[in-house]
Amino acid sequence: NAGVTQTPKFQVLKTGQSMTLQCAQDMNHNSMYWYRQDPGMGLRLIYYSASEGTTDKGEVPNGYNVSRLNKREFSLRLESAAPSQTSVYFCASINLLEETQYFGPGTRLLVL
Amino acid sequence: AQSVAQPEDQVNVAEGNPLTVKCTYSVSGNPYLFWYVQYPNRGLQFLLKYITGDNLVKGSYGFEAEFNKSQTSFHLKKPSALVSDSALYFCAVRDIEGTYKYIFGTGTRLKVLA
Repeated sequence: NAGVTQTPKFQVLKTGQSMTLQCAQDMNHNSMYWYRQDPGMGLRLIYYSASEGTTDKGEVPNGYNVSRLNKREFSLRLESAAPSQTSVYFCASINLLEETQYFGPGTRLLVL
Repeated sequence: AQSVAQPEDQVNVAEGNPLTVKCTYSVSGNPYLFWYVQYPNRGLQFLLKYITGDNLVKGSYGFEAEFNKSQTSFHLKKPSALVSDSALYFCAVRDIEGTYKYIFGTGTRLKVLA
């Protein structure tokens, strides 16, 4: 099992450009999450999807959109990137029975 | 709203000494508490959790945590630190009961000195 995979690993964008961060899990988990990690701020939830076909906002959803394409895939889109979105983005999925989150390796995004 | 606080940005400890990484929480209802570890340039890994039961919870890599309801704390401990334990540690709490949203602390960097 690959677990949780994320692409790309690193991306540089100019202000105003758009991009989609991809996430996939092969553990048959129902719930998936997108977090951003910033120094001194810890992890903050952007969006989550409790199950296929549903999405909900987290703490910091502004400037982002998500799509739960199917049970395996949960993508995060930046429509018009801003320097404030420079961050490391983590996708996670959860085994609800164990209440354990499994994290991907992260995407480092730099917005100039 | 639920919240967690990690009062120390960094903890330094000598190899072989016991370590403690502090976490306090604020929840309404029963707390669901977690510790995760992040090694450099990696995603977070689950260490342990408290849902119910014994106040002392044992987890991966020899770590344990003590749930203290009266002090609203969930400190992470290890009897004998290893250099390889050096990493960033996050405490987390499940948000509103009935949802699967989680609130993470700001993280504590543990540095174990040889």
